Amino acid sequence: GIQVEQSPPDLILQEGANSTLRCNFSDSVNNLQWFHQNPWGQLINLFYIPSGTKQNGRLSATTVATERYSLLYISSSQTTDSGVYFCAVQGGSEKLVFGKGTKLTVNP
Amino acid sequence: ETGVTQSPTHLIKTRGQQVTLRCSSQSGHNTVSWYQQALGQGPQFIFQYYREEENGRGNFPPRFSGLQFPNYSSELNVNALELDDSALYLCASSFTGSNGYTFGSGTRLTVV
Repeated sequence: GIQVEQSPPDLILQEGANSTLRCNFSDSVNNLQWFHQNPWGQLINLFYIPSGTKQNGRLSATTVATERYSLLYISSSQTTDSGVYFCAVQGGSEKLVFGKGTKLTVNP
Repeated sequence: ETGVTQSPTHLIKTRGQQVTLRCSSQSGHNTVSWYQQALGQGPQFIFQYYREEENGRGNFPPRFSGLQFPNYSSELNVNALELDDSALYLCASSFTGSNGYTFGSGTRLTVV
């Protein structure tokens, strides 16, 4: 099955800093989503981005499907950005396959 | 537009008992999936339901079963609970062909 690797596993930033999270996947996909898991456990959908580039405020994402990776950019980070960021992909099956996540801590 | 809602939010059960978790899909969505997330791990796919039938299953034993109802809401049932079943259980809904999943807040199950 598809393998998903996320890096880095942990990231500590000062408020206002920028960061890049990476997601590598092992096969072609027809769905790729970035999620932010808040402290209460809810997975908040950030982007549905099987290819191309999207931006939403301070967040943007780029997926290069031919090279099997996706990047999530967070600019001017805030303490509320803290949490775990998951990349999840879907190939030819019904299921989303998640990476192990990047735990982001933004300090004031 | 309502999101995905799950109940209960927290639950404590004894080993060997049975549990039922519930999920209401987002309005307009016809597919529901369930995921198990152990502490410190990414969510793992349990199964998916479409048109009230299971149409995909992950590596989980038969004591994990589910239902989807005509209004697209769903239940996850787990029999003969084991300590390792302690986890966050997440429900996600989608509309077939549109891709993109919306997740609920989850049910945190503790088996003692």
